[in-house]
Amino acid sequence: GDSVTQMEGPVTLSEEAFLTINCTYTATGYPSLFWYVQYPGEGLQLLLKATKADDKGSNKGFEATYRKETTSFHLEKGSVQVSDSAVYFCALSDRKGGATNKLIFGTGTLLAVQP
Amino acid sequence: ETGVTQSPTHLIKTRGQQVTLRCSSQSGHNTVSWYQQALGQGPQFIFQYYREEENGRGNFPPRFSGLQFPNYSSELNVNALELDDSALYLCASSQDRGGETQYFGPGTRLLVL
Repeated sequence: GDSVTQMEGPVTLSEEAFLTINCTYTATGYPSLFWYVQYPGEGLQLLLKATKADDKGSNKGFEATYRKETTSFHLEKGSVQVSDSAVYFCALSDRKGGATNKLIFGTGTLLAVQP
Repeated sequence: ETGVTQSPTHLIKTRGQQVTLRCSSQSGHNTVSWYQQALGQGPQFIFQYYREEENGRGNFPPRFSGLQFPNYSSELNVNALELDDSALYLCASSQDRGGETQYFGPGTRLLVL
């Protein structure tokens, strides 16, 4: 079945460092891809999304490009801040089985940014 | 615009008991999905409700059941609680069952002793 694989954390960076969190997926068909962020003690917030190959999602300085040829959707940010410390989840939407649209998540990557 | 809300925020139950969790969808959304997030894991899809009907289910036993009301709010019921049911339960709403973008509530943290 469909699945998402993320790089294991934790990822520890100094403030203003460059961030990459790798995400690859397995899917039959053409899923949409998402990055969600979870701050401590909170639910998930949508960070960005891309709905087709070569689309780039971006928000709050974060970017990810839907690469069909490598089945990847890596998250990047040029300069991280302490406030970016959170768990990041890569997810795909699974439309198989009709109109049900469920999200399939990776296991999450903890990012810790030190001042 | 009101976001997704869930209640209660925390809950402690004992094994064998039953629990009901509640969710109010975002304004304008008619589809609600429930997910279970075990500690250190990504959320797992439980089921989805669209216009008061179940519209897809993940790999969870029948003791996990749900309801959706005419105002599109929803309940998740879990019977015969087991220790492994301890998790964060997340509700997400979307605009129509085909709506790909799901917006999540803050979750209910359930501890089963």
